Amino acid sequence: EDQVTQSPEALRLQEGESSSLNCSYTVSGLRGLFWYRQDPGKGPEFLFTLYSAGEEKEKERLKATLTKKESFLHITAPKPEDSATYLCAVSPTSGTYKYIFGTGTRLKVLA
Amino acid sequence: DAGVIQSPRHEVTEMGQEVTLRCKPISGHDYLFWYRQTMMRGLELLIYFNNNVPIDDSGMPEDRFSAKMPNASFSTLKIQPSEPRDSAVYFCASSLAPRNTIYFGEGSWLTVV
Repeated sequence: EDQVTQSPEALRLQEGESSSLNCSYTVSGLRGLFWYRQDPGKGPEFLFTLYSAGEEKEKERLKATLTKKESFLHITAPKPEDSATYLCAVSPTSGTYKYIFGTGTRLKVLA
Repeated sequence: DAGVIQSPRHEVTEMGQEVTLRCKPISGHDYLFWYRQTMMRGLELLIYFNNNVPIDDSGMPEDRFSAKMPNASFSTLKIQPSEPRDSAVYFCASSLAPRNTIYFGEGSWLTVV
């Protein structure tokens, strides 16, 4: 069964304290892996798409990486405005075209 | 460009009433998705359309839920009759093609009392 697991569920960081969020996935074939940011009361906002192992994408303080079994979202020197829930989703090649979402990591960055 | 537009943003209704949620996808996108988000289950795909045709409705929880897409720029998700356990945030999303990113609307916050 296709599955996505994110860890940790919640993370508190001091401003400037770098860390990584994990997204482990089990799929027969990967069409793409996606990272989203969701603020309270808002819809998920697209961050990155990764298609193949070894691929990396960067945007400001965020960097996403992909292996055959997991993806990491690295946050370098975070700021309070980075506080949000970060969601990972995979689109498997098998079956119909759909995304499977993890339950997210709630990140809180303290000033 | 305008993003995915959903209405209403907030809805409070009594158990047994009909609820209709509306969505306008991004112009040119030919895939449309309806998701439901709850604290317990996270984001769950309810149904998706390709070129206005329902492709996979296996996530629709019960016959009380129905969705339509009469044209490329409009979709509805209807719950009739509504129940308190339907309380959740319902997101509409759209994308251009397989392997492409899907973009979400701001959601419709439904409370059934």
